[in-house]
Amino acid sequence: NAGVTQTPKFQVLKTGQSMTLQCAQDMNHNSMYWYRQDPGMGLRLIYYSASEGTTDKGEVPNGYNVSRLNKREFSLRLESAAPSQTSVYFCASRSRLTSYEQYFGPGTRLTVT
Amino acid sequence: AQTVTQSQPEMSVQEAETVTLSCTYDTSESDYYLFWYKQPPSRQMILVIRQEAYKQQNATENRFSVNFQKAAKSFSLKISDSQLGDAAMYFCALFRGTYKYIFGTGTRLKVLA
Repeated sequence: NAGVTQTPKFQVLKTGQSMTLQCAQDMNHNSMYWYRQDPGMGLRLIYYSASEGTTDKGEVPNGYNVSRLNKREFSLRLESAAPSQTSVYFCASRSRLTSYEQYFGPGTRLTVT
Repeated sequence: AQTVTQSQPEMSVQEAETVTLSCTYDTSESDYYLFWYKQPPSRQMILVIRQEAYKQQNATENRFSVNFQKAAKSFSLKISDSQLGDAAMYFCALFRGTYKYIFGTGTRLKVLA
């Protein structure tokens, strides 16, 4: 049981480049999330998907797009990376069966130069 | 608006001693869930303990326990018999039954040998 997987673990981009962060979960969870973590700011929600086929903006969606490809996969795309998007990105999925606990992936450290 | 506040950016504790991490929150809902997550240097987010707001009894998981004061909107984490492996960032989080979680800014716990 792999839980939540994310690829890549590390990435360096130049300003203006694009990339997609991949996330997959094998726990049959309906809800999936993308967060960014910056020093002193905790985790901030970028986008979430309540169920397959739906996505909604979180607290900091500007500069990002998402795709809920199927129930397992939820990707985050940066169309034109900016230095302000340098951060650690976490994907998570949520269980309704264990009191709404979130399960997190290992994170992606992204640096935009 | 919902908020979660962790007023202690950093705490230290001697090995084998007890430490309490503070968290206050604000919500107008009566039904919600509270969580403490641990983030060690590996970056992986790990659930430490959860509390359902409708339960009056404080949650306990081995050496970890909470002091949940619903009227005061306080949710502190007590770590007993601290171990070197407890050194990490600790995040308090609130979930109130929609799809969004609100995280605090975190407390870095150092354990001194």
